[in-house]
Amino acid sequence: NAGVTQTPKFRILKIGQSMTLQCTQDMNHNYMYWYRQDPGMGLKLIYYSVGAGITDKGEVPNGYNVSRSTTEDFPLRLELAAPSQTSVYFCASRKSTGLGNQPQHFGDGTRLSIL
Amino acid sequence: DQQVKQNSPSLSVQEGRISILNCDYTNSMFDYFLWYKKYPAEGPTFLISISSIKDKNEDGRFTVFLNKSAKHLSLHIVPSQPGDSAVYFCAASDNSGGSNYKLTFGKGTLLTVNP
Repeated sequence: NAGVTQTPKFRILKIGQSMTLQCTQDMNHNYMYWYRQDPGMGLKLIYYSVGAGITDKGEVPNGYNVSRSTTEDFPLRLELAAPSQTSVYFCASRKSTGLGNQPQHFGDGTRLSIL
Repeated sequence: DQQVKQNSPSLSVQEGRISILNCDYTNSMFDYFLWYKKYPAEGPTFLISISSIKDKNEDGRFTVFLNKSAKHLSLHIVPSQPGDSAVYFCAASDNSGGSNYKLTFGKGTLLTVNP
């Protein structure tokens, strides 16, 4: 029972490099979310998706892009890495609507350092 | 502007005693509240939630209380165990009006349970 799987777990990037953080879930959840957590802070929403082909910005979207071509996968792309994007990134998913209040379920995160 | 506030960065209690973690919110549209537990190098794990139509929800050793008039919720852990030592995040959601179940998080409280 994998749940939400994120890869890689750790990555070091140089300023200006690009990379894609992978997120996949096997629970057939329609809703998926990307958060970042900076030291001593709560999680802040970067982007989210309500289903395949539909994405929208969260609170801190600048410098990131997402796509959702399948229900299972929701990759997060950094095009030009900047030191301010050093953070821990969490992906989450949630059951579809019509089932009342449901929690989001999180992956174990990707720790990203940009030097 | 922080919509969800956890004013205690840390809390230390003795094993077997009660742990009380507090959370305040400012957005009156929030109608679903959750507590997540987070160990180092892992993702947040859903612990317990409460809908705004209730004032108490219990699950084993964990109870969440909601005071809507004060815009305050608390998590009680009785009895506390050393394995409960973790960071606890309070989160809230506005599940009406097409918010897409986005969560707003507090900064977290580090609970340490001493043997």
